[in-house]
Amino acid sequence: EADIYQTPRYLVIGTGKKITLECSQTMGHDKMYWYQQDPGMELHLIHYSYGVNSTEKGDLSSESTVSRIRTEHFPLTLESARPSHTSQYLCASSRVGEETQYFGPGTRLLVL
Amino acid sequence: RKEVEQDPGPFNVPEGATVAFNCTYSNSASQSFFWYRQDCRKEPKLLMSVYSSGNEDGRFTAQLNRASQYISLLIRDSKLSDSATYLCVVTTDSWGKLQFGAGTQVVVTP
Repeated sequence: EADIYQTPRYLVIGTGKKITLECSQTMGHDKMYWYQQDPGMELHLIHYSYGVNSTEKGDLSSESTVSRIRTEHFPLTLESARPSHTSQYLCASSRVGEETQYFGPGTRLLVL
Repeated sequence: RKEVEQDPGPFNVPEGATVAFNCTYSNSASQSFFWYRQDCRKEPKLLMSVYSSGNEDGRFTAQLNRASQYISLLIRDSKLSDSATYLCVVTTDSWGKLQFGAGTQVVVTP
C-alpha cells in the first residue's frame, strides 16, 4: 500500500470560501502531483512539483495554487471556491527516475 | 482530439471468460505505457507497465503496437474482483508526466 494521505476526504463548502486540500507522503518521493477528475472522465494534471520549492502548472488550467516547502507535503489552495471547482482532487507522488505514480485516496469537493 | 482514447464500455463479461480492449494514443513520441486500475470511487493503482515486446502478469496480458499507436489489455479467466475501470496511461516527456485515458469499464458477472 502506498503511504500517501489526503485530507479531508470529503468537503462541502459555500461559494467564496478559502480552502486548502492537504496531501502528505512518507515515501520520501521528490515528485508530487495534483490531478482533477470528474465522474467518468480522465484525470487532468493541474499542478506538479519535482522537489522542495519547485512547483509548475499542469496541462489543465486551474485557479488553485500549490506550495512545496517540505518534501513530504504538497497542499493545494483555492482562495475563493466556486461551484465550478466541484470535483475530485487526487494527489500522487513518484520517485525521481521512475514513472510509477502512487495515488492518495482523493478529496471529493462540493462547492454550493 | 484527446491524447489518449478508450472505449468507455461497459464490457460485461461472464466470470471465467476472456475480455480484451484497446487504447489509442495520438502522440507518436509517447515513450512509456501503462495500465492503471481504478475501482469505483477509489484512487488509480498501477496494474502493469506495457513493454514493446508485450508482457504478461498472471491473467493479464498487455501489448503495444507502436506502428498503429495502440496498446491492449487482455484479461483471461475473469474474476468478479476484476470489475473496475481500466485506465490507459502514456508518458510523452522525459519528466514522466502521465496522460490518462478516461477508462474502460469492465463488469464481470457471476
